[in-house]
Formats: sequence, structure tokens, C-alpha cells
Amino acid sequence: QSVLTQPPSASGTPGQRVTISCSGSSSNIGSNYVYWYQQLPGTAPKLLIYRNNQRPSGVPDRFSGSKSGTSASLAISGLRSEDEADYYCAAWDDSLSGPEFGGGTKLTVL
Amino acid sequence: EVQLVESGGGLVQPGGSLRLSCAASGFTVSSNYMSWVRQAPGKGLEWVSVIYSGGSTYYADSVKGRFTISRDNSKNTLYLQMNSLRAEDTAVYYCARSPSPYYGDYYFDYWGQGTLVTVSS
Repeated sequence: QSVLTQPPSASGTPGQRVTISCSGSSSNIGSNYVYWYQQLPGTAPKLLIYRNNQRPSGVPDRFSGSKSGTSASLAISGLRSEDEADYYCAAWDDSLSGPEFGGGTKLTVL
Repeated sequence: EVQLVESGGGLVQPGGSLRLSCAASGFTVSSNYMSWVRQAPGKGLEWVSVIYSGGSTYYADSVKGRFTISRDNSKNTLYLQMNSLRAEDTAVYYCARSPSPYYGDYYFDYWGQGTLVTVSS
């Protein structure tokens, strides 16, 4: 059971804006950075957002992250078919002394 | 170019052992925090272990006492020795680099392609 809670699925049509939520607690999201990873089918995870809202080089600005209190969100605007993937949030957890991942959200582009 | 290439996965019986390797190029393993992250079939990601640049090691409770992370600086390679394997250890194991040395700022910027470990009789 993950300490970070994500919806198991999300969907949208091409061009639409979708958001994926990640809920935690004061010992993880509330006191540390949040990160987001994208995992395309059959591939390794890829860093999408770091330190709440920073994009690594090469990640389109269609992807954005935000954090408020003990929750965080990933927003994808101008949805494209190639965005169909699993998305994971992550944060360090002070009480567990290790990084924790959310359970993942499977995004379907209709 | 940064690259991580895992090897060593395979089929092993419950109670058996396996050693995974992760050969790195484009950066120095010993200067970074290096981790193993696993993913059971159809499941999410689970952090397994980390070795800090200073050599300290930490483990998830689920593998503590059974798995050992190490590195060979001369080969620029990371290892995961897995003993007393259980069916629930079946997963794809990824090695990953953590670029930040700051407490709480723990993320993975480069990942290997993964190696599958299957524990079954």
C-alpha cells in the first residue's frame, strides 16, 4: 500500500488538458519535494518533473507540476496520443527514511 | 552520454541467490547516489536500496537483511546481491542515478532498461 495516493486511471481526448493528483501527508509531500515520472508501455520510467515544478531538459512545457500542502498535481495540456502512459508521483518520506512512489495513474488518450 | 545497463536477471528458485549488475558510462558511479528500484509484474514502482557517494547504504524494509548493494569503482559498476529470494521479489529491477546530495531532494534522473528477476520453483 503506497503512502502517496493517486487515482488508478485518467483519460482525455487529444488537445484536452488533464490533471493527475497525488495525495500524501506531512512527512512526505508536506515537507519535501515532489517528483513525477512517466512510464511508456514496456519501457523504463523517465523523469518528467523534479522539485515540484521543474522540467528536465527535453520535457515539453505541456507538462507542469504543482504542490500545495500535502497534495501535488501533474497537468498535461494539449494532450497527445503519445502521452498515453503510466504516471507516478514520488517524494521522500521522513518517517520511512526513504523515497516513496505513488501507486501510479494509467492515462488513456481516447 | 549517460547510460546504465543492467544484467544478471533470470529464473531462480525460492531461497536462492542472484547478483545483478549495472554498468554505468558517461558519469562516475562513486560520485553519485545510486539506487535500485523494482517493479513487480503489472504493479507500481518500489524503491529497494541506495548507496551514497560516501559509501553508506540503506534498504527498504522488505529486503533488509537479504539484499546487499555495492559498487566497484574500478569497473564503474553497481551491484545488488540478492539472497533468500522469495516469490514476492519477482520484478523488473532498475538501477537509477540520483543527482542531488541534499536531504529530501531524492529523485532519479537516469534509469537503466531493467532486468527481470523471476523467483519460482
